[in-house]
Parts: sequence; C-alpha cells; structure tokens
Amino acid sequence: QVHLVQSGAEVKKPGASVKVSCKASGYTFTNSYVHWVRQAPGQGLEWMGIINPTSGITKNAPRFQDRVTLTRDTSTNTVYLELSSLRSEDTAVYYCARCPIYSTTFFDWGQGSLVTVFS
Amino acid sequence: EIVLTQSPATLSVSPGERATLSCRASQSVSDYLAWYQQKPGQAPRLLIYDASKRAAGIPGRFSGSGSGTDFTLTISSLEPEDFAVYYCQQRSNWPPSITFGQGTRLEIK
Repeated sequence: QVHLVQSGAEVKKPGASVKVSCKASGYTFTNSYVHWVRQAPGQGLEWMGIINPTSGITKNAPRFQDRVTLTRDTSTNTVYLELSSLRSEDTAVYYCARCPIYSTTFFDWGQGSLVTVFS
Repeated sequence: EIVLTQSPATLSVSPGERATLSCRASQSVSDYLAWYQQKPGQAPRLLIYDASKRAAGIPGRFSGSGSGTDFTLTISSLEPEDFAVYYCQQRSNWPPSITFGQGTRLEIK
C-alpha cells in the first residue's frame, strides 16, 4: 500500500524559508513522479511543481519559478519542497502527490503539511 | 494556460438522488481530465482519471464522461459520505502545466 508521509506543521516569519518533506513507501520510488500542490485556507488546489526522483529533474509552475526548490534523497525515498521569501499569502496546506511516470493523475496524496506565515 | 471552470459552485441534492457536476476547459484537453473528492481536513482523493476511468476502490455510483472541453462527473445515488467538495484537474503539454477547477461544493438538501 502506498504511503506518503509528510513533515509536521511549521510557523515562519515573512521573508524566511520553509522545507517540507514527503517520505514515500509501498512502491518503487523511482517509478513515479512526485508533485507538490498547495491549498490556501478555504481555497482551491494549486499545482506548484514536479520532480523526477530518478533523475532529480524538476519543473516548477511559472508563478513559483524563482521561489520553489524541489529535491530528493533516493537513499531514504524522500522528496523535499523548499519555498523561500515567504509572505502571508503562502499560508497554506502543502501536499505531495504521486503520479505514475506515464500519467499526470495524482493517484496518491500525502496527509498535508500546514505552513503558517505570521509576523 | 488552460482554465477549468466548474459549475455549479454549490449543488444541493438529497441523499439517494442523482448529482451531476460539470467541468469546462478553455481549450481542448483531449481526455486528460481527472476528478477528485475532498472532505474537510483531508487530502483530496482520486475518483476518476482519463475522463471516465474509475480509480481503484471507487464505488460504481461515480462515473465520468466527456472529452475535449466539456466533462461531467455523475453520482448516481448519493450516499451521506458523498457530500464534499469536488475538483477537476487537467494537464497540458505546452506550456507544461497542471491546473484545477475552482471546485463544486456538494451539500445536503
């Protein structure tokens, strides 16, 4: 059974950075891409970017191009999202989600990590 | 960027009745469309992918249809646990991007 277990809630000040982790199990780590999606309070879903765990190649959504860094550690089957220059509008739940390599459908989701940006 | 517009924003239906949710794309997405269900405090859950394929473990009362720009999610006979927010999602090849609709809230009438 696929599990994506994310790190816990974070509180950050404006201008700081945050790093969220997503540990995968129950499938072959290098057979799927991992995406990041966020959801501001009471709002819809917003795609942020994708990482290929095999190659480490990433692609960010245009609006996050300069602030999002996606990385992975194949020794622990963990992917990371780092978001820099935080502002209050970045307060949201951040989800990792798994897509098979042949698809862009999010078959499995992490439980979400709440990031609060508060001065 | 392809925009997905879901309608209605809120749908009020009684348990046991049929619910029909719509998702319209600003340009053709072929059949690269998925539907997700989200309950309060939970992550989204995949229901339908490639417009009409049910995900593993999803009850048969959920069905998807459409292609190109117009898509529909139908719940044939609503159960109490079906009241939630539903999102559609597409991916475009170029520029490579993934977008979601704004969601339809399905509430008990």
